[in-house]
Amino acid sequence: ETGVTQSPTHLIKTRGQQVTLRCSSQSGHNTVSWYQQALGQGPQFIFQYYREEENGRGNFPPRFSGLQFPNYSSELNVNALELDDSALYLCASSPGGGTIGGEAFFGQGTRLTVV
Amino acid sequence: KQEVTQIPAALSVPEGENLVLNCSFTDSAIYNLQWFRQDPGKGLTSLLLIQSSQREQTSGRLNASLDKSSGRSTLYIAASQPGDSATYLCAALPWGGSEKLVFGKGTKLTVNP
Repeated sequence: ETGVTQSPTHLIKTRGQQVTLRCSSQSGHNTVSWYQQALGQGPQFIFQYYREEENGRGNFPPRFSGLQFPNYSSELNVNALELDDSALYLCASSPGGGTIGGEAFFGQGTRLTVV
Repeated sequence: KQEVTQIPAALSVPEGENLVLNCSFTDSAIYNLQWFRQDPGKGLTSLLLIQSSQREQTSGRLNASLDKSSGRSTLYIAASQPGDSATYLCAALPWGGSEKLVFGKGTKLTVNP
């Protein structure tokens, strides 16, 4: 069991609403990445935070935004929810920085359903 | 642009069989390749990490190999058990930029008792 914790585990929202997902990284890890996994697909990279700064972004619109806090926990915010945003959202933490290529550890995910 | 492919998409085997899952990637400029297990509706559990300078890694009944020149990695599972039933994902970490993992779509494994 990893030390990466995500909340909530499940969420149902209405189209047009906004949602905030949370992630606590593994102890000693300063890099947090967010992924979206649609049913039957592999996870797709949304963005990454390293020491509170965005450090890379995938092909997602600006209504997907994030934050990383001084304790390296992170939030993913999605505005103006669309039906296609329904997916499993995964958070991963890794050592980052000078230890690029370190093992990534994932949380249990948040299942978001947009109706 | 790195692309990762996993074949087959699904595999069903009898208990006790040794099996191989395949992963191919298009760009050999990677830091590492990581294999994960995913149970239905759950997060990813890291199984094995192979650094670009390594050829293989072993953990219990699992052995993963990496051949960067051919753009291939394999996950070998010995003496499969029903508890091994899950989706197995491989992910490559490309050189440059953020530590963005590029995933395949996974192989869904069913081990029948």
